Amino acid sequence: QSVLTQPPSASGTPGQRVTISCSGSSSNIGSNYVYWYQQLPGTAPKLLIYRNNQRPSGVPDRFSGSKSGTSASLAISGLRSEDEADYYCAAWDDSLSGPAFGGGTKLTVL
Amino acid sequence: EVQLVESGGGLVQPGRSLRLSCAASGFTFDDYAMHWVRQAPGKGLEWVSGISWNSGSIGYADSVKGRFTISRDNAKNSLYLQMNSLRAEDTALYYCAKDKTDIVATTHFDYWGQGTLVTVSS
Repeated sequence: QSVLTQPPSASGTPGQRVTISCSGSSSNIGSNYVYWYQQLPGTAPKLLIYRNNQRPSGVPDRFSGSKSGTSASLAISGLRSEDEADYYCAAWDDSLSGPAFGGGTKLTVL
Repeated sequence: EVQLVESGGGLVQPGRSLRLSCAASGFTFDDYAMHWVRQAPGKGLEWVSGISWNSGSIGYADSVKGRFTISRDNAKNSLYLQMNSLRAEDTALYYCAKDKTDIVATTHFDYWGQGTLVTVSS
């Protein structure tokens, strides 16, 4: 059971906009930054969003993050086939004194 | 170019030990905290342990506390994970991850290695 809760799956068609939610608590999302990681099949995770809504250089602006209270979301607009991957949210958890990850959401591009 | 190369994984019997290494290059190693994150087959990501730039702050997941020890050698640009009393549930791909900051208390992993597989089985 992950500390942060994500839907196990999401899907969309090319060009569509999809959102992936991440629900936490006051000890993690409610008081710390949220990060999102993308894991393409068979590869290592890659930082996608940091500090709630910032994109590292090289990440397309089709990806955006937001946070409200104890929840966060990742939005992907203009969906492309290469976006098919697992997406994980993460946040420092003050109660655990360590990073907490969501269980991951598998995004399928139909 | 930042590179993180893990090694030391393999098949080990329950109760035995294993030491993982991560060789870092392409950045000033002693400016940043480092972490180990694992992924069991077909499962999600789990943070294992983190160490600050100067080893002054170290953290462990409850699942490995007392069994695993993280360390680093800044002179050798290397990160280590000593794993003792291994259990079947420790079976996973172990990733070395660089932190964007010099402290442990973040989740800002900006570079990841390709991982080394640890299989605990009799």
